[in-house]
Order: sequence, then C-alpha cells, then structure tokens
Amino acid sequence: DAGVTQSPTHLIKTRGQHVTLRCSPISGHKSVSWYQQVLGQGPQFIFQYYEKEERGRGNFPDRFSARQFPNYSSELNVNALLLGDSALYLCASSLSQSEYEQYFGPGTRLTVT
Amino acid sequence: GQQLNQSPQSMFIQEGEDVSMNCTSSSIFNTWLWYKQDPGEGPVLLIALYKAGELTSNGRLTAQFGITRKDSFLNISASIPSDVGIYFCAGQLVQGKLIFGQGTELSVKP
Repeated sequence: DAGVTQSPTHLIKTRGQHVTLRCSPISGHKSVSWYQQVLGQGPQFIFQYYEKEERGRGNFPDRFSARQFPNYSSELNVNALLLGDSALYLCASSLSQSEYEQYFGPGTRLTVT
Repeated sequence: GQQLNQSPQSMFIQEGEDVSMNCTSSSIFNTWLWYKQDPGEGPVLLIALYKAGELTSNGRLTAQFGITRKDSFLNISASIPSDVGIYFCAGQLVQGKLIFGQGTELSVKP
C-alpha cells in the first residue's frame, strides 16, 4: 500500500509570494495533520483536519491556512512568505481524529529567498 | 506551551553497543510515540505507548511509558550501522496534536 505522499518535493519561493503544498493520506485514513520542521528541531504542529473540518491549530499566524477535500487529501497554503518560513513541511495521516498513531510523508522542502 | 526535553542530543557509539535515550516533560501525556528520521525524509513511527508503565518492544527496540506519564525512554540493543539517524519522542496531549522533542542524533561506528 502507498504511504503518505506529498508534492512537490522541493520548492524555492521569494519573500512575499504564496505557496501551496499538497498531501495525500494513506488509503483509508481520514485525518491529516501538518507540521513544520525547521533544521535541527523537531516538527511543530500546524493543523489537523478531519472530515474536511479543522480540528486543531498550532501557534502559527493567519498566513497559514489549510483545507481537506472529500477524498481526504489536503492542501497547506502559506501567504506572504517570510525567510523564516523556510523549513520541511510534513504531512501526517491517521485513521481518525482520535487515532493516536500518525504516519508521516517525506515532506516538502520549502526555501524562501 | 508544552515542551519535551529529550536527551542526549547526540550519541556516538560502537556497532554492537546498546543505546538508551529519554524524554521528559512538565506535562502529563496520554500517549508517547517514538519516531526515527533519516536525512531528507519524514519521521517513521517505531513504537507507540498508550498506558502508564507500559513496556513495548519492536525487534531490537524497547520503549517504556513512564509511570508518572511525564516521561518515556527508548532502548536500542546491539546497534547496527542502519540505526544511524535522528530519534524523536512525541507526546500527545490533545487529539491529533503531537508535541515533539528536539531529537537525539545517533551515530554508529562500524
């Protein structure tokens, strides 16, 4: 079975631009969470989505938004990019909102110049 | 906000040695998870712990959920070169939100 997939793999953007990252969960998983991982640190929680609704949000500015589609795939959008947004963006899927085990995709490496 | 203190930050060991790393928190967690991350890849789930005092094994890996629910440790026995990577503990307080430690970078000398 395919694991969590993310696209694109790498992305280079300029300050002030907008970016959209995509994630497809493991087949049968209905919950998707997004994390930001800055080099040398552990992942930081951004959002959780379940059944197309936001179920949790981390301490990130409103420039960060996400949505989940009927097929449970998800998009993370970041507006007005800052240099500090450069990071590995990870998507994790789980069976349901209450399922504790989260499985991560390979991530999207975003570089903001 | 909640923080997990993971130690040690890095370890350099000889192949065949046993390894131990741990995580502590000021908060009580309902679940502890241990992940391994290789360079350029996403974290891979190794072990999940659900009950205080629980001891769980996965091959050469053994992890325990502390009785106080504020700590957890991971042991790797008889390390091999492919154990190299960064190990993260993660605690779950609220459904869907994992809090990660800073990671333990493991290097194994053949």
